[in-house]
Amino acid sequence: DSGVTQTPKHLITATGQRVTLRCSPRSGDLSVYWYQQSLDQGLQFLIQYYNGEERAKGNILERFSAQQFPDLHSELNLSSLELGDSALYFCASSVDRGLSSGNTIYFGEGSWLTVV
Amino acid sequence: GQNIDQPTEMTATEGAIVQINCTYQTSGFNGLFWYQQHAGEAPTFLSYNVLDGLEEKGRFSSFLSRSKGYSYLLLKELQMKDSASYLCAVRDRAGGFKTIFGAGTRLFVKA
Repeated sequence: DSGVTQTPKHLITATGQRVTLRCSPRSGDLSVYWYQQSLDQGLQFLIQYYNGEERAKGNILERFSAQQFPDLHSELNLSSLELGDSALYFCASSVDRGLSSGNTIYFGEGSWLTVV
Repeated sequence: GQNIDQPTEMTATEGAIVQINCTYQTSGFNGLFWYQQHAGEAPTFLSYNVLDGLEEKGRFSSFLSRSKGYSYLLLKELQMKDSASYLCAVRDRAGGFKTIFGAGTRLFVKA
């Protein structure tokens, strides 16, 4: 158990709908990351938040948005869903307080999204 | 931007040693990670290198050469449970300290 909690674990929804994925980072971790992994594909970096602020952006679609709240939990919002959005969405966290050892990213179990 | 290359697949025999290579190009290198991922599961952390040299941790070792943009993961005394994907990831200062993953190397361990 990495200490990163994601909900829901599984989600099935229809095209055009909107869903919200939730993540609680490990206790004490300031950075939260979101990654997308489609079937048999690599991990695609979407976005990173650090202590409530957006820090880095990857290949995140305009239909997707995220935020990190004052208690450091994060949500990833996916809207106008398409079949191709079906994937495993991982949240990860790290301490990121400037020490090299704090840069290690720990992953949650992921949220399986199926768009039908 | 970043570019990370690693072989797509490798096969090795139980009890043997296997080396998985990773080459990378990045403008603000700030560390390299190796993760193990079984199908449908979360990646789990294996090693972290920020300085040149070899880091050993049990059956797994990881090497880094920053000047060559090169790393390898060495797995000794292979076990069947080591069959998994191995992901090389690079942390980059450019654009906010993002950590980018390679496509992964799928390792098959055969008896």
